[in-house]
Amino acid sequence: DTGVSQDPRHKITKRGQNVTFRCDPISEHNRLYWYRQTLGQGPEFLTYFQNEAQLEKSRLLSDRFSAERPKGSFSTLEIQRTEQGDSAMYLCASSLGGGGSYEQYFGPGTRLTVT
Amino acid sequence: SQQGEEDPQALSIQEGENATMNCSYKTSINNLQWYRQNSGRGLVHLILIRSNEREKHSGRLRVTLDTSKKSSSLLITASRAADTASYFCATRRGSGGGADGLTFGKGTHLIIQP
Repeated sequence: DTGVSQDPRHKITKRGQNVTFRCDPISEHNRLYWYRQTLGQGPEFLTYFQNEAQLEKSRLLSDRFSAERPKGSFSTLEIQRTEQGDSAMYLCASSLGGGGSYEQYFGPGTRLTVT
Repeated sequence: SQQGEEDPQALSIQEGENATMNCSYKTSINNLQWYRQNSGRGLVHLILIRSNEREKHSGRLRVTLDTSKKSSSLLITASRAADTASYFCATRRGSGGGADGLTFGKGTHLIIQP
């Protein structure tokens, strides 16, 4: 399967713990995006990378969140000191280019539950 | 804040009927995209329509764009049970510079009754 993959698919953690999610984009895509989606809402943008450079971060991305794409391939999203409000589906997407002119291919998401 | 807003929020129709959902947005755009999300396959891109296009077709899908009204519509003809899903319109977050990524509406939840 050459689509976008995310790992893990589900994560249950206790408040205060750190969690890390991984995203493997489609190999030739240079843009990688992270979104967060809560029940009944559309995805909300968190951050994006062009190759290994993180070019923008949303205000939603507090200092407890950090994302990396060390070699311009896979990306990780870490949440430190998780809070119950962090419970959501975290989606990763990749595209050939940016500017909204390219379709984004989404992974299946990682559902985070903070207890 | 969300750029696009879909209408209606929920829609239930009989299999075989047509489904129409609308999207309104706030700022000028270069293009608009529609995505579908169901529990089995996640978010899937359906169609992209550019600002200089008024209508676009893809299989049973027909999308229109009215930039003067800042609105778009998605028509699904001859609906099938497999069309049951949430449908989102999405536009680029920023108009230039480093801004990228998509802004989604809350979606229209479509249920196709057998």
